[in-house]
Amino acid sequence: EAGVTQFPSHSVIEKGQTVTLRCDPISGHDNLYWYRRVMGKEIKFLLHFVKESKQDESGMPNNRFLAERTGGTYSTLKVQPAELEDSGVYFCASSQGHSYNSPLHFGNGTRLTVT
Amino acid sequence: GEDVEQSLFLSVREGDSSVINCTYTDSSSTYLYWYKQEPGAGLQLLTYIFSNMDMKQDQRLTVLLNKKDKHLSLRIADTQTGDSAIYFCAERIYNQGGKLIFGQGTELSVKP
Repeated sequence: EAGVTQFPSHSVIEKGQTVTLRCDPISGHDNLYWYRRVMGKEIKFLLHFVKESKQDESGMPNNRFLAERTGGTYSTLKVQPAELEDSGVYFCASSQGHSYNSPLHFGNGTRLTVT
Repeated sequence: GEDVEQSLFLSVREGDSSVINCTYTDSSSTYLYWYKQEPGAGLQLLTYIFSNMDMKQDQRLTVLLNKKDKHLSLRIADTQTGDSAIYFCAERIYNQGGKLIFGQGTELSVKP
């Protein structure tokens, strides 16, 4: 079974540009989460999809971030326009079934550097 | 509110035991997790414990939970150089859709 895959693994962009990160969850997992780790700090929750619906987007930093999950399969996270403080590692995770008692499986992350 | 705290660094000698500690604040946590991140890799689920348990053992790993003090620990027996990584503690809260609240991570360095 393929795990959670994220693309790209690294992205270097200039301030003001746009970047789109992609996450493919484990097949059949309805729950998809985005997280971010900035500058060696804690891994912070961004948002949670159940199928194609946003269940919780309380962690999204501001309206420069847009997440979508059309069709309830893969998800994209777009940052537009990117700022320096957006640099960090963006993780995607998925889980199956009832979200509170199914472990989250994480991808390898996308390392975003904004210069 | 939710907050998970870990010490940032731990250094041990190969063959010794490592103990990584974590404290959390939300008393409604249902599951508590340990994840491992090796350099350049993603987050690997190591083990987890349900909040009504006080201990779980899995080969070289032992998780202890003190629910009264909201304290979680991960003990790695016979630590090897391949155990060098960042270890994240995370709590999962029943009424918040299953999202995880992570600590800052403890960087474990194993010296030969």
